[in-house]
Amino acid sequence: DARVTQTPRHKVTEMGQEVTMRCQPILGHNTVFWYRQTMMQGLELLAYFRNRAPLDDSGMPKDRFSAEMPDATLATLKIQPSEPRDSAVYFCASGPRLSEQYFGPGTRLTVT
Amino acid sequence: AQKVTQAQTEISVVEKEDVTLDCVYETRDTTYYLFWYKQPPSGELVFLIRRNSFDEQNEISGRYSWNFQKSTSSFNFTITASQVVDSAVYFCALSDRGGKLIFGQGTELSVKP
Repeated sequence: DARVTQTPRHKVTEMGQEVTMRCQPILGHNTVFWYRQTMMQGLELLAYFRNRAPLDDSGMPKDRFSAEMPDATLATLKIQPSEPRDSAVYFCASGPRLSEQYFGPGTRLTVT
Repeated sequence: AQKVTQAQTEISVVEKEDVTLDCVYETRDTTYYLFWYKQPPSGELVFLIRRNSFDEQNEISGRYSWNFQKSTSSFNFTITASQVVDSAVYFCALSDRGGKLIFGQGTELSVKP
């Protein structure tokens, strides 16, 4: 049963620190998405890739967030410097096509 | 702009009752996709169904059924004979061919024994 994996599952950090979240998409999937879930905003798209190339990152705060796919088995989302308002659950999703997405378990980030 | 509205914030039912979760969407695209995801208390998002805009056939999967009506821009989800394990937040979502998912705010379903 193939699944998207995300690490770490939980992260507590202090304001100003760098945070790196990792995602391993399902083998063979060529699209990867990053979403953020908060109580106030719900689920919102941050960025997504197809064949490792970024298609859209307009949902990300550009000054502090960055998303990359170093290779087909790894996607990363970095926040530097982190702020308390970044506290949220960050989900990675992958799919065999843009119109089909399977989500990972999420990384719960708390910035104090 | 695309938008998904789930007007029911919370629903509470007793086990074995049928329950329908409403979803209304807005889009100007002629090609689009509709989804339902389940988020149980553990937090993961579980894919339930995907429908494209050209397929208005209703679908049934076990106790789950979906009613897609383009005329009313609705994609409702019915659980028949609900069970306690169905307790979760359910999200309806919409995407165009570009893949960006627009989620509704979710409906929290509580099924009591």
